Amino acid sequence: DAGITQSPRHKVTETGTPVTLRCHQTENHRYMYWYRQDPGHGLRLIHYSYGVKDTDKGEVSDGYSVSRSKTEDFLLTLESATSSQTSVYFCATGEHGGYNEQFFGPGTRLTVL
Amino acid sequence: AQSVTQLGSHVSVSEGALVLLRCNYSSSVPPYLFWYVQYPNQGLQLLLKYTSAATLVKGINGFEAEFKKSETSFHLTKPSAHMSDAAEYFCAVTNAGGTSYGKLTFGQGTILTVHP
Repeated sequence: DAGITQSPRHKVTETGTPVTLRCHQTENHRYMYWYRQDPGHGLRLIHYSYGVKDTDKGEVSDGYSVSRSKTEDFLLTLESATSSQTSVYFCATGEHGGYNEQFFGPGTRLTVL
Repeated sequence: AQSVTQLGSHVSVSEGALVLLRCNYSSSVPPYLFWYVQYPNQGLQLLLKYTSAATLVKGINGFEAEFKKSETSFHLTKPSAHMSDAAEYFCAVTNAGGTSYGKLTFGQGTILTVHP
């Protein structure tokens, strides 16, 4: 298994506060992704990275920003959390883009009150 | 643009019965297709993938899927269900173009229940 950890694993916060979720990998994979999982929607891509300091938006990027200053770390920030951002967030990594498998972290359950 | 539709948000089978989970995709370019499985409170893991080498793809745990371009389908099957197959299954697509960066578009998921 790819070594992917996410922190925190659970978080409860209040509307309007900033929140940062961390994804850490030990596999030296070039590509990293943040998804959110909501019932009835499957997983939806928030942001992705194709190298250090190279990031781009996914399909549901509003209200989120990311940073990747090192190969192993990919941070997701909710600039001002809203209740609609209550979700389970998954980080994934991949050695290559395209047809290669993505490896998923264990997820972070975020509740915004 | 690409999309995935999984027919049936819940599928229930008896142990030993055939498992059939349906997935239809839409893609303007040749697709790569994946099936992932998620066990409760865990991340996703890959079951199998189609990357144009063969239309019938075999994966882990006895699952297989057949790519049918004419039907834009990639249904997942297993001849005999086990209790341990109970999980949520996701079909996903990315395009085969060089600028896809591996971005996946997922279906809504199908929860498989296996009865004794």
